[in-house]
Amino acid sequence: NAGVTQTPKFRILKIGQSMTLQCTQDMNHNYMYWYRQDPGMGLKLIYYSVGAGITDKGEVPNGYNVSRSTTEDFPLRLELAAPSQTSVYFCASSYSGTGPTDTQYFGPGTRLTVL
Amino acid sequence: GENVEQHPSTLSVQEGDSAVIKCTYSDSASNYFPWYKQELGKRPQLIIDIRSNVGEKKDQRIAVTLNKTAKHFSLHITETQPEDSAVYFCAASPPKSYNNNDMRFGAGTRLTVKP
Repeated sequence: NAGVTQTPKFRILKIGQSMTLQCTQDMNHNYMYWYRQDPGMGLKLIYYSVGAGITDKGEVPNGYNVSRSTTEDFPLRLELAAPSQTSVYFCASSYSGTGPTDTQYFGPGTRLTVL
Repeated sequence: GENVEQHPSTLSVQEGDSAVIKCTYSDSASNYFPWYKQELGKRPQLIIDIRSNVGEKKDQRIAVTLNKTAKHFSLHITETQPEDSAVYFCAASPPKSYNNNDMRFGAGTRLTVKP
């Protein structure tokens, strides 16, 4: 299994540009998450999804959109990039069935700079 | 929503000494408490976790303790080694039956182990 993969690894955007960060997992996990990590800070949840077709806002959703059309993919969309969105973005997934398993597995991250 | 505080923000120890990192959480319904280790430029990786029906859990040199009454939990690393140097994050997560399914992270502790 490749686990959680993210593309691209790095990206520089100009203010006002748009882009989509891709996230794919091959572990058949039902839960998927997007976090951002600002320099020297912890992880803040942007959006999460409990299954295909279901998404919900996290702590810092403004300026982002997500969709979950398949179990495997959970893309994050930035519509009008702003310097405040300069950060490292991590996608994660976990399995939550009848048991209490909540371990989140993280992707390698996407380093985004908005100039 | 849940709020997690983590202390200290930086910790420096001599090789072979013990290190303790403490976290407090606000939502008494939270029932899952993982600890992640993040090396520079890498993704967070789970090192140990504990659930609310357990008071302590050990895995070789690392242990986690949970005090539900006081709403705090701690990470203990014994016989520290230079490769333990990293940023450590605690997190707290509510039960999956909640409407709010997001996990909240502490701000992180930068641990430096001096040889």
